[in-house]
Amino acid sequence: GAVVSQHPSRVICKSGTSVKIECRSLDFQATTMFWYRQFPKQSLMLMATSNEGSKATYEQGVEKDKFLINHASLTLSTLTVTSAHPEDSSFYICSATTFQGAGRNQPQHFGDGTRLSIL
Amino acid sequence: GDSVTQMEGPVTLSEEAFLTINCTYTATGYPSLFWYVQYPGEGLQLLLKATKADDKGSNKGFEATYRKETTSFHLEKGSVQVSDSAVYFCALGTGNQFYFGTGTSLTVIP
Repeated sequence: GAVVSQHPSRVICKSGTSVKIECRSLDFQATTMFWYRQFPKQSLMLMATSNEGSKATYEQGVEKDKFLINHASLTLSTLTVTSAHPEDSSFYICSATTFQGAGRNQPQHFGDGTRLSIL
Repeated sequence: GDSVTQMEGPVTLSEEAFLTINCTYTATGYPSLFWYVQYPGEGLQLLLKATKADDKGSNKGFEATYRKETTSFHLEKGSVQVSDSAVYFCALGTGNQFYFGTGTSLTVIP
């Protein structure tokens, strides 16, 4: 159980293109989804947290207009990298969790990541 | 604030060696603790978890015990295999916040 599907797994596109990445929880309802960025041989950098039906909460230094996040349902969140440039090339990972009340910490379940390469 | 401090790598071991990856935490409440594993080019997979003090999480031969007195959650495996080569992340969950360690790269050589 607790499967998260992330699509696409790899994207190569030209500078200036907008790229959409989907994150789906396949067998559970995700109250919260997270988007991370990971640079080579480094830990995950949290970009934003999104709760179903509300606006995403972005971490400091992450451009909201650059990285658009939509969490329209309990099973789907999307990250759109708008007008992507080479410096946006990275490994993007989503995760999903169900929050079952104070004191109950459910694990995050991760997608397999999306390797984004901007030429 | 809450945080996780993880042993720095990289770690290189011979097959069948004993593995310990240290993880300590700082938390004001009663967090849950997790170990995740990331294989090359993939996302993170939950390896094991413990939700309260003295709990032991275990999976695939890996174990970690939630020790409140030492605020630690060290990952151990008695006999590593080449297929265990990956990056391991310790994580702390409290409320709806997660904090990850910096990751420890493990390479197991035949």
